[in-house]
Amino acid sequence: KQEVTQIPAALSVPEGENLVLNCSFTDSAIYNLQWFRQDPGKGLTSLLLIQSSQREQTSGRLNASLDKSSGRSTLYIAASQPGDSATYLCAVRPGGIQGAQKLVFGQGTRLTINP
Amino acid sequence: EPEVTQTPSHQVTQMGQEVILRCVPISNHLYFYWYRQILGQKVEFLVSFYNNEISEKSEIFDDQFSVERPDGSNFTLKIRSTKLEDSAMYFCASSGGIGYGYTFGSGTRLTVV
Repeated sequence: KQEVTQIPAALSVPEGENLVLNCSFTDSAIYNLQWFRQDPGKGLTSLLLIQSSQREQTSGRLNASLDKSSGRSTLYIAASQPGDSATYLCAVRPGGIQGAQKLVFGQGTRLTINP
Repeated sequence: EPEVTQTPSHQVTQMGQEVILRCVPISNHLYFYWYRQILGQKVEFLVSFYNNEISEKSEIFDDQFSVERPDGSNFTLKIRSTKLEDSAMYFCASSGGIGYGYTFGSGTRLTVV
């Protein structure tokens, strides 16, 4: 059974710093991995999607990497801003026929950027 | 950018009542999903729907839950007899296929009293 873990659970940094959020998963057989942002009481906004054959994806100040063999992904945020404050969720789509339909989520990292 | 739309944004219901949560997925997507998030917990998969039938469901999705695509645009989740523990944020999502990412709606916060 696929399990996804995110470390740290919470992170507080001053504005302008670069930071890394970590995600690990127990089964390397995945189709893809997706990073989401969730603001308090709101929905999930997709940030980046990495296919199992890819090593990284970039969007603006965000860069996500994937090391499938070791079951790890990182989300790198450059030059952080107070507007980046949110909870960041990592989710994997397990491989195989039975697991292909759903996403398995981590518990998230709550990020606070201090002005 | 195309969006997944959910209504209502917040619903309060009495224990034992039936509720229907509504979603309009992205029009050219093929796969539709419901997830839920109990306050402070992980987002959990409930059910996936493809080609007008359930393609996968979790153990949470028992006989009190049902899904329907009553027309070409809406996708609904019905909870037949709500319990206190059904209180959660319910998210609808859609996807163009296995290799594609998910797009989530903004959620319906269900409060059972």
